[in-house]
Amino acid sequence: EVQLVESGGGLVMPGRSLRLSCTGSGFTFGDYAMSWFRQAPGKGLEWVAFIRSKVYDETAEYAASVKGRFTISRDDSKDVAYLQMNSLTTEDTAVFYCVRNGQGWQQLASYWGHGTLVTVSS
Amino acid sequence: EIVLTQSPDFQSVTPKERVTITCRASQSIGSSLHWYQQKPDQSPKLLIKFASQSFSGVPSRFSGSGSGTDFTLTINSLEVEDAATYYCHQTSSFPLTFGGGTKVEIK
Repeated sequence: EVQLVESGGGLVMPGRSLRLSCTGSGFTFGDYAMSWFRQAPGKGLEWVAFIRSKVYDETAEYAASVKGRFTISRDDSKDVAYLQMNSLTTEDTAVFYCVRNGQGWQQLASYWGHGTLVTVSS
Repeated sequence: EIVLTQSPDFQSVTPKERVTITCRASQSIGSSLHWYQQKPDQSPKLLIKFASQSFSGVPSRFSGSGSGTDFTLTINSLEVEDAATYYCHQTSSFPLTFGGGTKVEIK
């Protein structure tokens, strides 16, 4: 069974940083692209970042709203994906979901974690 | 950026009724359109991939159709457990985008 467990969320002040982690199990982590999505309170779904598998050089894509502030990365030896978030603003307050995409470069968001809440507030 | 326009925003339906949700893309996306169900306080779950392919374990009352710019999610014989918000999502090109969601309420 595919499982994705996010951690690292919490309350953070504007301008500060936070790193989210996502541990995957039940599949060969390194074979799959991974993503982060988010959902602000009472709002719809928003894609944040995407990273391809090592075969595709772990290249990444970002939403315009986070480009230059957020960095997605992965450590296949630990079956973990990360989202480093810098210069956080109140607009970043959301539940962040880790997602397993398709193999390699494929973007289909097949499985979602339960999410971790990030609250940016002074 | 590809904009996805979903309709309706909200639908109140009695059990056993058929539900139809539409999603229109601002440009052709082939069949790179997927449907998700999100129940309150839960993460989204994939229902239909690539416009019309059912995802593993999804009940057969859920079906999808369409290609290019116009897509439809149909729920045949709605059940009480289908109360949720439904989103369409395109993976044709970055940035990946979602429709605004359709909330389905059970009368």
